[in-house]
Amino acid sequence: AQSVTQPDIHITVSEGASLELRCNYSYGATPYLFWYVQSPGQGLQLLLKYFSGDTLVQGIKGFEAEFKRSQSSFNLRKPSVHWSDAAEYFCAVGMFSGGYNKLIFGAGTRLAVHP
Amino acid sequence: NAGVTQTPKFQVLKTGQSMTLQCAQDMNHNSMYWYRQDPGMGLRLIYYSASEGTTDKGEVPNGYNVSRLNKREFSLRLESAAPSQTSVYFCASSERFQGSTDTQYFGPGTRLTVL
Repeated sequence: AQSVTQPDIHITVSEGASLELRCNYSYGATPYLFWYVQSPGQGLQLLLKYFSGDTLVQGIKGFEAEFKRSQSSFNLRKPSVHWSDAAEYFCAVGMFSGGYNKLIFGAGTRLAVHP
Repeated sequence: NAGVTQTPKFQVLKTGQSMTLQCAQDMNHNSMYWYRQDPGMGLRLIYYSASEGTTDKGEVPNGYNVSRLNKREFSLRLESAAPSQTSVYFCASSERFQGSTDTQYFGPGTRLTVL
């Protein structure tokens, strides 16, 4: 069955440290890949997306993600985290399932940033 | 340009009561979606409207109905609320219904509690 896994429910990093959030998917074809961020009390905002081409994609707020087909992964990275990055991060995969194209979301990773 | 707006922001219902969640977008998007977000489960699609005049079931449609009132507005109705429908509800829109590839823009959410 198609699925999206974010192995880390909570991550805590210090401000200025690097960050990597993991995302793995299960899907037989080439997926379309997204990372969204949800700040407390807010809706989801698109950070970046991958459809094709260069497997390293740049997004807003200094985030980047790398698609690795062999590992079925699309991990999100940031070299230096800011306190304002504290939020919940969702990986989503676009796929054809159940008769229509849809987005499948992971369960999310909540990021806390220590000063 | 408000993007996607949702009303109300918060709602408490008693079991068996009915209510309608309202969503509107001002981006002239063709497609609209309703999701629910539950802890540890990410977002799950309830219903979607690929274009004005059409609606279809998503992953978890039971207990809900929708109306695409016009191109701007897409409402979600709970006819007889149950505690299992306690959740945060998000409306989203996209320019067209490619589903797996379109960027979806999200509203701020409605937090619903059913007692």
